[in-house]
Amino acid sequence: EAGVTQSPTHLIKTRGQQATLRCSPISGHTSVYWYQQALGLGLQFLLWYDEGEERNRGNFPPRFSGRQFPNYSSELNVNALELEDSALYLCASSKRVSGSGELFFGEGSRLTVL
Amino acid sequence: DAKTTQPPSMDCAEGRAANLPCNHSTISGNEYVYWYRQIHSQGPQYIIHGLKNNETNEMASLIITEDRKSSTLILPHATLRDTAVYYCIVRPNSGGGADGLTFGKGTHLIIQP
Repeated sequence: EAGVTQSPTHLIKTRGQQATLRCSPISGHTSVYWYQQALGLGLQFLLWYDEGEERNRGNFPPRFSGRQFPNYSSELNVNALELEDSALYLCASSKRVSGSGELFFGEGSRLTVL
Repeated sequence: DAKTTQPPSMDCAEGRAANLPCNHSTISGNEYVYWYRQIHSQGPQYIIHGLKNNETNEMASLIITEDRKSSTLILPHATLRDTAVYYCIVRPNSGGGADGLTFGKGTHLIIQP
């Protein structure tokens, strides 16, 4: 069974540009979560999507947005990039009706803003 | 989510049991204890979770004190590949899927050869 896949693995942008990151959840999982991990900092919760709807949002500005498609894949968009947006962006998936709360993470997309 | 307290780092000799403590003194009755780990530059990996009974799986054992204010993750025979940051998280299990897990700073476990 394929795990959570993310693309691209690495992305380099300049300040002011937009970045789009993509995530494919494990087959059968309907929930997708996005996290940001900046260098030296912990994992910060960004967004949670389930059944195509945004269910929860972390403490991030509106220029961080995303969506979930009918096939449950998701993309994260970061507009007006700033230097401090440089980080590892992690996607995770889980079953919506899950008693375990177990999240399966991808390997991440490393965004570098110059 | 209730807050957790973990030591920032620990060492353990290869082949020995690694015991990672976690304090969660404000845990609520409906909150579970979860453990994840993150090997350098990889995505976090789920290890184990429990409510009040001790749990064991192929990766680790979880010991939760009777008052549920603390727990210990046990890796029975640590290997070099167990070197990672280990996160202890408490959260309610709504049964409707997990909302955002709150990761703290975790414990950086270093397995020494």
